[in-house]
Amino acid sequence: DIQMTQSPSSLSASVGDRVTITCRASQGISNYLAWYQQKPGKVPKLLIYVASTLQSGVPSRFSGSGSGTDFTLTISSLQPEDVATYYCQKYNSAPLTFGGGTKVEIK
Amino acid sequence: EVQLVESGGGLVQPGGSLRLSCAASGFTFSNYDMSWVRQAPGKGLEWASTITTSGAGTYSADSVKGRFTISRDNSKNTLFLQMNSLRAEDTAVYYCAKDLGQGEWGRGTLVTVSS
Repeated sequence: DIQMTQSPSSLSASVGDRVTITCRASQGISNYLAWYQQKPGKVPKLLIYVASTLQSGVPSRFSGSGSGTDFTLTISSLQPEDVATYYCQKYNSAPLTFGGGTKVEIK
Repeated sequence: EVQLVESGGGLVQPGGSLRLSCAASGFTFSNYDMSWVRQAPGKGLEWASTITTSGAGTYSADSVKGRFTISRDNSKNTLFLQMNSLRAEDTAVYYCAKDLGQGEWGRGTLVTVSS
């Protein structure tokens, strides 16, 4: 089975900073990669699908890139409301594995 | 507007069974693969099971294979998860998801396995 490895597992950054989260697949998954944001006590929210397509209503400071095995989620200017845990997920074929998550906090 | 409403969660003893339901509306249910995703308290997201549009294809995580069965009733726009031989480690919020990776999620239902 393909493993999804996210890094870092947590980060602390200042408001306005550029934040980058990476997700690596153990084998190629083309661009079948989604990113989710989950705030404490809330349902995960789809941010990006097919690696780089922004879900409707998601702020443009979020962007995704990558293909094959290496993917990136970037927040161009971190805002207080972006405090959350972020997950990547492969969905090219079963098992539809999630990454371990990256907890983002404000410094 | 897409709506997914899970039900059927609750407290069950180890070894027991539970059947979750997910009522779907706001889209053509029979056109989409549907999935269950779970999240144990304080832990990350874990994919559990997926069913294809007609129900002919089902896929499950190794952690639930042989114990959980996903099914759907396209005439009633409803997704199910039959959970048998429940263990303490199955305690989680269970989310129903449309077209996992590109679609919406429900608000979840809590399953607690404890004596």
